[in-house]
Amino acid sequence: AQSVTQLDSQVPVFEEAPVELRCNYSSSVSVYLFWYVQYPNQGLQLLLKYLSGSTLVESINGFEAEFNKSQTSFHLRKPSVHISDTAEYFCAVSTAIGGSQGNLIFGKGTKLSVKP
Amino acid sequence: AAGVIQSPRHLIKEKRETATLKCYPIPRHDTVYWYQQGPGQDPQFLISFYEKMQSDKGSIPDRFSAQQFSDYHSELNMSSLELGDSALYFCASSVGGRNQPQHFGDGTRLSIL
Repeated sequence: AQSVTQLDSQVPVFEEAPVELRCNYSSSVSVYLFWYVQYPNQGLQLLLKYLSGSTLVESINGFEAEFNKSQTSFHLRKPSVHISDTAEYFCAVSTAIGGSQGNLIFGKGTKLSVKP
Repeated sequence: AAGVIQSPRHLIKEKRETATLKCYPIPRHDTVYWYQQGPGQDPQFLISFYEKMQSDKGSIPDRFSAQQFSDYHSELNMSSLELGDSALYFCASSVGGRNQPQHFGDGTRLSIL
């Protein structure tokens, strides 16, 4: 069975400081990894994905994540955060076996709070 | 760009009533997923459909059923509602086969009184 662990439930940080949101996964088969962001009272928005290829993936708003197979991690980083980055971030894995299309298994989420 | 449309956005029901949630995927997306997110919880997978056939089943109660129609929209039918069914219900869609990125709607907030 697959599982996702987000090590920090809350991360407070000051504006313009760097941030890292940690995510570790457990799986006996190949995984596909995603980060989603959820703003209050809104749906989940895809932030970035790792399907194959380069282990470093980037989003359009300055976030990046690196797939590390040996450490089974997919940590999310941003060198300088803005107030508008305040949201809850979910790490998720997808594995498709047999006839499955691959549903997402989410971590418990990390609430990022950016303070001025 | 067109997104996943869910209706209604909010729904209030009483215990033992029934509810139907609707999901309209992004055009040309062939796979629909349903998730339930309880207060302060992470989303939990309920069920999915690929090309109008059930693909995977997660932690969906027997009181719930779902289907995907010929126009690819999907409906989640919920009966004998319980207080614990109060949650945000998300629909997501994807295209192009397994493990493709899923795009989520804004959800339906179901409140059971």
